[in-house]
Amino acid sequence: QITLKESGPTLVKPTQTLTLTCTFSGFSLTTSGVGVGWIRQPPGKALEWLALIYWDDDHRYNPSLKNRLTITKDTSKSQVVLTMTSVSPLDTATYYCARRSISLVHDYWGQGTLVTVSS
Amino acid sequence: QSALTQPASVSGSPGQSITISCTGTNSDVGGYNYVSWYQQYPGEAPKLIIYDVIYRPSGVSSRFSGSKSGNTASLTISGLQAEDEADYYCSSYRSTLYVFGTGTKVTVL
Repeated sequence: QITLKESGPTLVKPTQTLTLTCTFSGFSLTTSGVGVGWIRQPPGKALEWLALIYWDDDHRYNPSLKNRLTITKDTSKSQVVLTMTSVSPLDTATYYCARRSISLVHDYWGQGTLVTVSS
Repeated sequence: QSALTQPASVSGSPGQSITISCTGTNSDVGGYNYVSWYQQYPGEAPKLIIYDVIYRPSGVSSRFSGSKSGNTASLTISGLQAEDEADYYCSSYRSTLYVFGTGTKVTVL
């Protein structure tokens, strides 16, 4: 059974750095072709793809946010960490992590975690 | 990066068929057969219902079908049911990156 779960702060102040952790089970991030991505959804708005890290440590970022994002993985802990710097209220959203399968699709998703950016 | 374009809303009566379009460019939808569709209920995470344009994951109703023509992908829901009322998002691979659609709210009349 594949599961993913996001964790992190629920409230962050503007200009601070947001760190989110995705803890997964049921698959390995050492399997060729597999990745873990992050997607966010502001309240009442559409999904926005943020970042992806692959089994071989390669990574990709949304060009619109590239300078603010860092994605890393700890294979031994089955975790992927997303860091976002200089947050603003525009970053208020539910953040999801999802497995990127070898079929190039985000097939399994976590339940999401709501992060509010406010002073 | 620009999102894929979907109609904001689509509605239909029970039993009818509806189609949701997802328009991109030849750099994403038109360039790859890696279009997926997600169903999302309020307060829940998205659920994959179509991948690689036409394939359904195990357990997804056969009432959902996908297709693509040029830069536009489509999701068709046949035999519309009350439980199909939800938000639907398309997604496409875009040259090592990914992009989502603007989302469509499906209302069952």
